[in-house]
Amino acid sequence: GENVEQHPSTLSVQEGDSAVIKCTYSDSASNYFPWYKQELGKRPQLIIDIRSNVGEKKDQRIAVTLNKTAKHFSLHITETQPEDSAVYFCAATGTDKLIFGTGTRLQVFP
Amino acid sequence: EAQVTQNPRYLITVTGKKLTVTCSQNMNHEYMSWYRQDPGLGLRQIYYSMNVEVTDKGDVPEGYKVSRKEKRNFPLILESPSPNQTSLYFCASSPSTGATYEQYFGPGTRLTVT
Repeated sequence: GENVEQHPSTLSVQEGDSAVIKCTYSDSASNYFPWYKQELGKRPQLIIDIRSNVGEKKDQRIAVTLNKTAKHFSLHITETQPEDSAVYFCAATGTDKLIFGTGTRLQVFP
Repeated sequence: EAQVTQNPRYLITVTGKKLTVTCSQNMNHEYMSWYRQDPGLGLRQIYYSMNVEVTDKGDVPEGYKVSRKEKRNFPLILESPSPNQTSLYFCASSPSTGATYEQYFGPGTRLTVT
């Protein structure tokens, strides 16, 4: 069935370093790939998304890349800050729905 | 203010006692959905609705019911709750009829079934 795998499950970085989270998906028809950030005790919120007709998208310190051939996409955070600490979820469209990855807990140490 | 609301935010109940979690959005969104969040499992979709009177099963629908009689409301019903339904539940809405636009999440409902 439709599946999204996300790695790593936890990631610790020093403030100022870069962080990369990777996801793979199984449905070749997927055409929308959002990333959500969930701070402790809060609801998930969209931070960036990419569609299948684009290979890369950037928004300030955050970028997402998509490789449709390999069916994987990645989130890149540069110059990390303590406020980037959160759980990050990738997702891919399935049939009329979003399939979420299992999440990555990012900790940024000052 | 554009928002998705859920009630109650916290609920402790006993096995078998029927309950309803309400969800309402004021953005005139077509698409609404329910997710449950469990440690290590991410967000899993329970049910979704692409429009009034149109609902469909997600990945984990067993033990849940939904209805969409009005565009703004999408209640989640647990007819006979069991301990394995203890979880954090999120309602979400989206302006598209599919899932290809941003989903706006409600604040969450933490349910404990004893």
